[in-house]
Amino acid sequence: DTGVSQDPRHKITKRGQNVTFRCDPISEHNRLYWYRQTLGQGPEFLTYFQNEAQLEKSRLLSDRFSAERPKGSFSTLEIQRTEQGDSAMYLCASGPGGTDTQYFGPGTRLTVL
Amino acid sequence: GESVGLHLPTLSVQEGDNSIINCAYSNSASDYFIWYKQESGKGPQFIIDIRSNMDKRQGQRVTVLLNKTVKHLSLQIAATQPGDSAVYFCAEIPYSGGYQKVTFGTGTKLQVIP
Repeated sequence: DTGVSQDPRHKITKRGQNVTFRCDPISEHNRLYWYRQTLGQGPEFLTYFQNEAQLEKSRLLSDRFSAERPKGSFSTLEIQRTEQGDSAMYLCASGPGGTDTQYFGPGTRLTVL
Repeated sequence: GESVGLHLPTLSVQEGDNSIINCAYSNSASDYFIWYKQESGKGPQFIIDIRSNMDKRQGQRVTVLLNKTVKHLSLQIAATQPGDSAVYFCAEIPYSGGYQKVTFGTGTKLQVIP
């Protein structure tokens, strides 16, 4: 399968713990996006990378959230001091340069107890 | 798997009938629109897109119509099949500064009755 992959698929953690998610985009896609989706809602934009540069961050991305894409390939999203309100599906998408289409991964379902 | 479609508007159609899913978008500056299909436990899957300089675009069994005057988008699915059951999201993208941010609508759950 050469699509976008995300790991882990499910994460259960206790409030106050730190979690890190990984996204592997489609090979050679230079654009990478993170979204958050809660039940019954559409995905909400969190942040965008072009190669290794983080070009845009949503106001939804509080100081507890940080995303990196150090080599312009895979990306990580870390949430520090998790809160119950962080429980959601975290989606990653990638796209090739020169187009607007984004291809989504299967997501990581986070549950904060 | 979990349900993506909790509390969403639901459209129920008989297998073989045509489906029409509607979406109102908010930003008059949006110039690119995409319909996504999301099955339970999976990420959104690209279906079809349309640019603001077009009114209609057809794909395989799907047609997207764009009415910029009233900021309305629709997705028509011909001969709906059980595999079409999913949540459908419209998404709008305003081109801004060389990078694109997708804003998703609320979504509509399509249930196909065999």
